[in-house]
Amino acid sequence: DAGVIQSPRHEVTEMGQEVTLRCKPISGHDYLFWYRQTMMRGLELLIYFNNNVPIDDSGMPEDRFSAKMPNASFSTLKIQPSEPRDSAVYFCASSLGRLTYEQYFGPGTRLTVT
Amino acid sequence: LAKTTQPISMDSYEGQEVNITCSHNNIATNDYITWYQQFPSQGPRFIIQGYKTKVTNEVASLFIPADRKSSTLSLPRVSLSDTAVYYCLVVLYNQGGKLIFGQGTELSVKP
Repeated sequence: DAGVIQSPRHEVTEMGQEVTLRCKPISGHDYLFWYRQTMMRGLELLIYFNNNVPIDDSGMPEDRFSAKMPNASFSTLKIQPSEPRDSAVYFCASSLGRLTYEQYFGPGTRLTVT
Repeated sequence: LAKTTQPISMDSYEGQEVNITCSHNNIATNDYITWYQQFPSQGPRFIIQGYKTKVTNEVASLFIPADRKSSTLSLPRVSLSDTAVYYCLVVLYNQGGKLIFGQGTELSVKP
């Protein structure tokens, strides 16, 4: 298996633009997680899905952020409009079977908003 | 709400045993503690997981005392390649399945 795939790997955009980050989880995994990592705040869980259904989105910073999982093999995290403080590395992870089980992380998307 | 606390950084030398402790107050008896390792420019990678007493695998051991207010990741005989950031993660079933990551401990292994 190719592991968790994220695209793009790097994104540079201007403030106010819409940004869409994409994730393909490991085939067969039923949990999908979106994280944000910054030096100041560390690793933060934004939202997670179980069987394509959002379970906990309490970590989503504000209404500018939205996440979808239209099917078991694809998820998006959208920021509209983007702001400089959204600059971070965004990770997607997936796991199988239970919330506590090993999560497999993707390589991350480094987002820079100027 | 539970909170996890880890030392920000630790230094060690090759061949030594390293113990990294994570404090996690207010977790339930069925809450798991998981540890991840992260290298620069990579996503975190699973190391070990447990919810009581001691767990050992080929790379580490995890000690959890009876009061479960902390857990200790033990890395035996570290090498330079163990230089990384280590995170503890608690999943709180009694709070709707919330995931709480620690701030991470930056381990530096010197020759």
